Amino acid sequence: AQSVTQLDSQVPVFEEAPVELRCNYSSSVSVYLFWYVQYPNQGLQLLLKYLSGSTLVKGINGFEAEFNKSQTSFHLRKPSVHISDTAEYFCAVSDTGGSNYKLTFGKGTLLTVNP
Amino acid sequence: GAGVSQSPRYKVAKRGQDVALRCDPISGHVSLFWYQQALGQGPEFLTYFQNEAQLDKSGLPSDRFFAERPEGSVSTLKIQRTQQEDSAVYLCASSTRSYGYTFGSGTRLTVV
Repeated sequence: AQSVTQLDSQVPVFEEAPVELRCNYSSSVSVYLFWYVQYPNQGLQLLLKYLSGSTLVKGINGFEAEFNKSQTSFHLRKPSVHISDTAEYFCAVSDTGGSNYKLTFGKGTLLTVNP
Repeated sequence: GAGVSQSPRYKVAKRGQDVALRCDPISGHVSLFWYQQALGQGPEFLTYFQNEAQLDKSGLPSDRFFAERPEGSVSTLKIQRTQQEDSAVYLCASSTRSYGYTFGSGTRLTVV
């Protein structure tokens, strides 16, 4: 079984500032890692995923994340945020075996971008 | 359609009432998933279909919850004798592969 901890429930930042949303996971097996974004009253949209290969993953809307196996982390970063990035962000993990369809999510981080 | 469609968007049910939530996946998507998202929480896995076969229902919280996908396309999540703890957003997702789903906008169920 896996678990995900998102260390910050809320992150307020000013427009054009950089941001990092932290995610740590726990698993006894190899994992796939994901970041999803959820805008108000909408479903989740995939930002990026790590399956294998390069540990630096680039996603949509200028976001990127780095997989650190030794620290069991997958932090999400953006160098300069916009007002439109205000949303809830969820980190998720699945195993790489027969249950790789089943995502385990963290509790989410609410990113609020202020003018 | 272009995306995953869920209906109704909002449902208010009296405690003890049965409800049925519908999901129309993206055409051709073999895999379909249901997740439950309680207020202030991340989504939690309920069940997984591959075509019409329900391959995993380990996340269904009780025998009051039942899901079906009889023709391998539209799916229905049914909750019998609803309880207040069933209040949540129910998310459906579909995929051509096991990862990188497309989620619908969800059905917000409120049990009063």
